[in-house]
Amino acid sequence: GDSVTQMEGPVTLSEEAFLTINCTYTATGYPSLFWYVQYPGEGLQLLLKATKADDKGSNKGFEATYRKETTSFHLEKGSVQVSDSAVYFCALSATGNQFYFGTGTSLTVIP
Amino acid sequence: EAQVTQNPRYLITVTGKKLTVTCSQNMNHEYMSWYRQDPGLGLRQIYYSMNVEVTDKGDVPEGYKVSRKEKRNFPLILESPSPNQTSLYFCASSLGGPLDTQYFGPGTRLTVL
Repeated sequence: GDSVTQMEGPVTLSEEAFLTINCTYTATGYPSLFWYVQYPGEGLQLLLKATKADDKGSNKGFEATYRKETTSFHLEKGSVQVSDSAVYFCALSATGNQFYFGTGTSLTVIP
Repeated sequence: EAQVTQNPRYLITVTGKKLTVTCSQNMNHEYMSWYRQDPGLGLRQIYYSMNVEVTDKGDVPEGYKVSRKEKRNFPLILESPSPNQTSLYFCASSLGGPLDTQYFGPGTRLTVL
């Protein structure tokens, strides 16, 4: 079945460090891929998405490129801030109308 | 203000006592969905609805029921809760389907003793 695998956390970085959170997927058909973010005590919010191969989603300095050949959608940011501390979820929707999340990666950015 | 609301936000109950968690959205969204969030498992979809009177099972529907009698409301019903349903529950809605941005409610923390 469809699924998403993301790197284990937690991740702790210093402010201005480079961030990569790995995400790979398994899906039938041609999935759309998403990154959602959950700030402490809140619900999830969409960070970015890509709907076809080679698309790049970007928002708030975060980027992710849909790589069909490696079935990946890694999240990157060049310089993280304390305010980026949150849990990040990779997700997909493929055939049908179901939605699948990864297990989440907790990021803490220290000043 | 555009939002998804859930009630209650916190609930402690006992095994077997029927309960309902309400979810309402004011954005005229077609798609609504329920998820549960558990440590180490992320979010898993329980049920979703593409429109009024149309509901489908997600990944973990056992022990849950839903209904969609009006576009704005999508209650989650636990007819006989068990301790393994202790979790954090989120309702979400989107305009046309899961490919559109999903807007999440604030969550309901349920404890079943």
